[in-house]
Amino acid sequence: DAGVIQSPRHEVTEMGQEVTLRCKPISGHDYLFWYRQTMMRGLELLIYFNNNVPIDDSGMPEDRFSAKMPNASFSTLKIQPSEPRDSAVYFCASSGGPREQFFGPGTRLTVL
Amino acid sequence: GQNIDQPTEMTATEGAIVQINCTYQTSGFNGLFWYQQHAGEAPTFLSYNVLDGLEEKGRFSSFLSRSKGYSYLLLKELQMKDSASYLCAVRAGGGYQKVTFGTGTKLQVIP
Repeated sequence: DAGVIQSPRHEVTEMGQEVTLRCKPISGHDYLFWYRQTMMRGLELLIYFNNNVPIDDSGMPEDRFSAKMPNASFSTLKIQPSEPRDSAVYFCASSGGPREQFFGPGTRLTVL
Repeated sequence: GQNIDQPTEMTATEGAIVQINCTYQTSGFNGLFWYQQHAGEAPTFLSYNVLDGLEEKGRFSSFLSRSKGYSYLLLKELQMKDSASYLCAVRAGGGYQKVTFGTGTKLQVIP
């Protein structure tokens, strides 16, 4: 398996623009997670899905953030409008059970 | 919510043993993970403890005491490639799969 795939790997945008991050989980995994990592706050869970259904979105910082999982092999995290404080590395992870999560390579987002 | 504490940085010598501690305060504890993260890369799974005691996996071991809210990761025969951040993460309450990560311990291995 190719592992968790994320795109783009790097994104530089200007404040106010819409940003869409994409994730393809490992085939057969029924849990998908979106995390944000910064030096100040570490790795924070934003939202997670089970069988394509959002289970817990309490970590989503505000209404500018939204996430969807239209099918078992694809998920998006959208920021609209983006702000400089959204600059971070965004990780997608998937899991097939209660044990470890497998992380994608991350998307490094810079909002100018 | 959860409160997870671990040292920010540690330095150890190649070939030595290092212990990275993690303390947590939570309700509805379901398990504790350790992940390794090299600079610029994604976290990768090291260990998972649900029950009290020591889990050994090669050069790495992880210990858990649920009554004390305490875990440690033990790295033996340190190698330069072990220089990385080590993240303690707790699975508790709020859904079976919700995991909260500590801010990580940056380990530097020196010759």
